[in-house]
Amino acid sequence: DAGITQSPRYKITETGRQVTLMCHQTWSHSYMFWYRQDLGHGLRLIYYSAAADITDKGEVPDGYVVSRSKTENFPLTLESATRSQTSVYFCASTLAGGPGEQYFGPGTRLTVT
Amino acid sequence: DAKTTQPPSMDCAEGRAANLPCNHSTISGNEYVYWYRQIHSQGPQYIIHGLKNNETNEMASLIITEDRKSSTLILPHATLRDTAVYYCIVRVERSNTGKLIFGQGTTLQVKP
Repeated sequence: DAGITQSPRYKITETGRQVTLMCHQTWSHSYMFWYRQDLGHGLRLIYYSAAADITDKGEVPDGYVVSRSKTENFPLTLESATRSQTSVYFCASTLAGGPGEQYFGPGTRLTVT
Repeated sequence: DAKTTQPPSMDCAEGRAANLPCNHSTISGNEYVYWYRQIHSQGPQYIIHGLKNNETNEMASLIITEDRKSSTLILPHATLRDTAVYYCIVRVERSNTGKLIFGQGTTLQVKP
């Protein structure tokens, strides 16, 4: 089905491990985003990408790495996971410059023990 | 992007109209007002957006004051499934980043 998907939906990992969250969209949207959502902080932008091979930092980029070799994929990597990165992660996409509608994935719930 | 202020929570009776206010007193002339909502544990969902004219779609209506310093999202006949956190966001329509800055939003509880 067309849309935006995230995998895995749930992940438990240990402190210090590397973990990659996947995001895939089928609309060929230029822009893709990664947000994290924590209780008391709402949604915060981690990284975004305007096109393949173009990425930029958001509000809370420390500890995360992104890449975008293909338009449809935007993986988020935690190089050395910490407990403070326990959160729900949402991926989103929108057309170039955006008509306003960002489409969000279902989220990945990550727990770092 | 201009900052928005929303009440933290509101209640609404099922079947009645839900009117969610948003203040954006520092909005610029080229900034649009967007509304998203987030139903528990799901990704945010776009509802509507507008510049200065009132807008309506199948989900809701958006009323923007003439001075554009505030707006109201109206759900005409709220149902239990409309219980969610509603976010009012102000940003330039075609920014060079496309990113959204979410505030704390308003938690709308629709009661039977």
